[in-house]
Amino acid sequence: GQNIDQPTEMTATEGAIVQINCTYQTSGFNGLFWYQQHAGEAPTFLSYNVLDGLEEKGRFSSFLSRSKGYSYLLLKELQMKDSASYLCAALDSNYQLIWGAGTKLIIKP
Amino acid sequence: ETGVTQTPRHLVMGMTNKKSLKCEQHLGHNAMYWYKQSAKKPLELMFVYNFKEQTENNSVPSRFSPECPNSSHLFLHLHTLQPEDSALYLCASSQEGGGKPDTQYFGPGTRLTVL
Repeated sequence: GQNIDQPTEMTATEGAIVQINCTYQTSGFNGLFWYQQHAGEAPTFLSYNVLDGLEEKGRFSSFLSRSKGYSYLLLKELQMKDSASYLCAALDSNYQLIWGAGTKLIIKP
Repeated sequence: ETGVTQTPRHLVMGMTNKKSLKCEQHLGHNAMYWYKQSAKKPLELMFVYNFKEQTENNSVPSRFSPECPNSSHLFLHLHTLQPEDSALYLCASSQEGGGKPDTQYFGPGTRLTVL
């Protein structure tokens, strides 16, 4: 079956760095998405990776290793507003999104 | 603001009620989606419309009935729901559904409570 695994919850300190991991098992693979969702709000697109390597976008970076079925989202210089859930989703061979349950990130002062 | 709006934001209904959720996208997209989001569970894709035609129905009970009158509007008609249907219902849109990597843009959701 198809599956996405990510930690349920993580805690980090303001100003620090945090890495949210995601492993996937899908029938075929056409890329991986990361979304951010604040409580009570819409998920918003953060990144899309289809090639191996690290892509940086300001304070947020996303990494992909296709051979390992692994991705991570790296958040630097954490701010209180980064407290949110982070959703990992892989695109399978039929271009269907397979979603993880999300990682709730709690930022402490 | 993602360009996708949903109304109402909150809805409480009894099991015998009939209600509808509305979604509108202002992005000029051709594909629209309904998802169910329950606490600590992955997003569940319910329905997909591509150029107003339904292309996915992921074994959703018939008490949920979608309608897509045009590429900008999507409805989810609800009737005789069960308490386990209580969840956040998210609408999303993308440029084109299926066949290519396509970023989905989400609305804020309707928080549904079935009593």
